[in-house]
Amino acid sequence: ETGVTQSPTHLIKTRGQQVTLRCSSQSGHNTVSWYQQALGQGPQFIFQYYREEENGRGNFPPRFSGLQFPNYSSELNVNALELDDSALYLCASSLGHLNTEAFFGQGTRLTVV
Amino acid sequence: KQEVTQIPAALSVPEGENLVLNCSFTDSAIYNLQWFRQDPGKGLTSLLLIQSSQREQTSGRLNASLDKSSGRSTLYIAASQPGDSATYLCAVRSGNTGKLIFGQGTTLQVKP
Repeated sequence: ETGVTQSPTHLIKTRGQQVTLRCSSQSGHNTVSWYQQALGQGPQFIFQYYREEENGRGNFPPRFSGLQFPNYSSELNVNALELDDSALYLCASSLGHLNTEAFFGQGTRLTVV
Repeated sequence: KQEVTQIPAALSVPEGENLVLNCSFTDSAIYNLQWFRQDPGKGLTSLLLIQSSQREQTSGRLNASLDKSSGRSTLYIAASQPGDSATYLCAVRSGNTGKLIFGQGTTLQVKP
């Protein structure tokens, strides 16, 4: 059984560019959620996908978008990057989205210059 | 609005000491509470999951308790070791979507 994997591990982008982060969920898990973690802070919820449908969104602008594929892997897209988007982006997968355990990937460190 | 607070923000103890990390939340309507460990620049490792109907969970030297009515959870670490040095985060799963809401974390340093 493979765990949650994210790619790439590190990324440097220029302000105004677009970026796509990827997440492979743990085998059998149908729910993927994305979190942004600024330095020294707890992770903040971006959005969640359950069986390929977005079923929850945090307080992030529309330039943060995503999707979930039939194999339950997921992408996070960020358009028009801003310096404040620099953070560790974490993906979590779970079986269901209410009373289940969440398992996290190793994260993608995004630096916007 | 659910808010999660962790106290203290940082803690330094000598090796071998038993210690308690605290987590409080404002809304008792939760599905579960999860404790995580995070090493610098890394992802989150799940330590313990406590369902809303449970009072505590144990794994090795770790014991987590949950008092939903008072909005509190504690993580007890017995006989601390330098390898326990990390940031510990608690998160509650609540709301219609079951999203995780995190505290700011407690950064623990265990000195040899």
